[in-house]
Amino acid sequence: QKEVEQNSGPLSVPEGAIASLNCTYSDRGSQSFFWYRQYSGKSPELIMSIYSNGDKEDGRFTAQLNKASQYVSLLIRDSQPSDSATYLCAVTSSASKIIFGSGTRLSIRP
Amino acid sequence: DTGVSQNPRHKITKRGQNVTFRCDPISEHNRLYWYRQTLGQGPEFLTYFQNEAQLEKSRLLSDRFSAERPKGSFSTLEIQRTEQGDSAMYLCASSQGQTNEKLFFGSGTQLSVL
Repeated sequence: QKEVEQNSGPLSVPEGAIASLNCTYSDRGSQSFFWYRQYSGKSPELIMSIYSNGDKEDGRFTAQLNKASQYVSLLIRDSQPSDSATYLCAVTSSASKIIFGSGTRLSIRP
Repeated sequence: DTGVSQNPRHKITKRGQNVTFRCDPISEHNRLYWYRQTLGQGPEFLTYFQNEAQLEKSRLLSDRFSAERPKGSFSTLEIQRTEQGDSAMYLCASSQGQTNEKLFFGSGTQLSVL
């Protein structure tokens, strides 16, 4: 079992719609959860972090965390073509290292 | 804040040769990570440092790989006796550590082993 699992996609969403990205993790001791965005040929950049159960909103982005289900999600509202990228879920393990999932490729179609 | 710097940007080498990469983190960051990324995959954890101490090295990592962070500043990653399977983008990232775990990535070193 992978430590952090994501559906690789591609996920195709029409412009203006909501994109929903999901992630599960295996280490119940994990405390910190992140979403990074990676454009093709570029390095990852942090877009959201979440530490407690529930929702956290930042502009068009909402991160959701459910520690009981070991599940993290990212919602992108009013999707724009510039949101087309690979979205990486990352988790701080109980050993305090940061582990990434394989990423979900998101494509926003006009 | 000049960002995380990695050198070289590209490295082409022949199988069996040794290569060394350098990473200069953001100056006040005490945590430094090395990841490897291949096309279509997420960054794969290799190792990380808290100041000069290497806290963990991936169990999947061959003993041909070694990393150092002398004096808790820059870090080097060495791969001995390179193999074609080592071809990948090697990413370095730094953070302030437990007070702020946000990772800042360098542009990476693209390794091609012929």
